[in-house]
Amino acid sequence: NAGVTQTPKFRILKIGQSMTLQCTQDMNHNYMYWYRQDPGMGLKLIYYSVGAGITDKGEVPNGYNVSRSTTEDFPLRLELAAPSQTSVYFCASSYQGGSQPQHFGDGTRLSIL
Amino acid sequence: ILNVEQSPQSLHVQEGDSTNFTCSFPSSNFYALHWYRWETAKSPEALFVMTLNGDEKKKGRISATLNTKEGYSYLYIKGSQPEDSATYLCAFSTSYGKLTFGQGTILTVHP
Repeated sequence: NAGVTQTPKFRILKIGQSMTLQCTQDMNHNYMYWYRQDPGMGLKLIYYSVGAGITDKGEVPNGYNVSRSTTEDFPLRLELAAPSQTSVYFCASSYQGGSQPQHFGDGTRLSIL
Repeated sequence: ILNVEQSPQSLHVQEGDSTNFTCSFPSSNFYALHWYRWETAKSPEALFVMTLNGDEKKKGRISATLNTKEGYSYLYIKGSQPEDSATYLCAFSTSYGKLTFGQGTILTVHP
């Protein structure tokens, strides 16, 4: 059972480039989340989804887009990369919202130069 | 903006010591409180999800209590071991699982 899988693990982008961070889970979880971790700032929620076709903004959504066409996949897209988006990104999933624990992927370390 | 605060920021203890950390959160509109352990170079791992005032949860040597009326939760580690060294995060949760995390408590257990 793979759990939550994130790809790539590391990436360096130039300012203005775009990319998609992939996240897939094989636990049939309805809820999925994207977080970013900034030094000294903890984990901040970017976007979340409560099921296929439904997404909503978290605390820091600016500069990002998401889609949820299937239960398994929840990609995060950066359209115009900026240095402020240098961070470690974590995808997570849970079976049933806030009363259930979230399962995290291993993270994607992204540097924008 | 929700404010979730954890104290202390960091803690150094000797192997065998017992220790505890605090998580403070808004007492209004409470749904759930999550605790996670985050080891270096790994991803956060769930310890507890607590939903009821007075909840007490236990997992091996780690336990947690919850007071939703006054807005705090305590995490206790009994007989700390070096493998307990990690960052311990608490998070205030909405019904949709939108988590607002505290900054974490960094625990270092010295052999």
